[in-house]
Amino acid sequence: QKEVEQDPGPLSVPEGAIVSLNCTYSNSAFQYFMWYRQYSRKGPELLMYTYSSGNKEDGRFTAQVDKSSKYISLFIRDSQPSDSATYLCATQKSGANNLFFGTGTRLTVIP
Amino acid sequence: NAGVTQTPKFRILKIGQSMTLQCAQDMNHNYMYWYRQDPGMGLKLIYYSVGAGITDKGEVPNGYNVSRSTTEDFPLRLELAAPSQTSVYFCASSFTGEVGTEAFFGQGTRLTVV
Repeated sequence: QKEVEQDPGPLSVPEGAIVSLNCTYSNSAFQYFMWYRQYSRKGPELLMYTYSSGNKEDGRFTAQVDKSSKYISLFIRDSQPSDSATYLCATQKSGANNLFFGTGTRLTVIP
Repeated sequence: NAGVTQTPKFRILKIGQSMTLQCAQDMNHNYMYWYRQDPGMGLKLIYYSVGAGITDKGEVPNGYNVSRSTTEDFPLRLELAAPSQTSVYFCASSFTGEVGTEAFFGQGTRLTVV
């Protein structure tokens, strides 16, 4: 069983739509939950992270973690063509040096 | 601000050849990491370092070696290239071990072994 599962998509939405990206994880020891954005032929860049359960909002982006169901979500409001990228979820145990990544969901926002 | 710089950006190797992927950071970060990214597999940790002179294996270290003689540099060595090492390699750094919350990634090195 993979540590983190993510639907690879691809996902295509019209500009202005609300996007929902999701991951599940298997290890209840994970404490940090991250979302990275990766543009084509570039390195991942951290969008936001949450510690333990709960929500975190940053502009048009909202990250949610439900530890009871081991479910991670990223919502993008008012999606823009510039949001077109691959979104990677990742998890980490507290004090550990390794990240466990999902396979990424490729998102295209159509103008 | 250069951040994390990887060279080369692209490379084609023949089976059995050797090469070193270079990684340098100018943020005075203690922690540095090498990941590989394969289609449909996500990023996997190859090696990491918590400071100059200290390295440790990640999930997929076989076929690779690293060294960390300075804070800035963390080269990854492939000794006998194999087709299974065809991948995109990313170097990352962070100030503390909370890598997920503050890591900076380089632009990647695309390696093809033929």
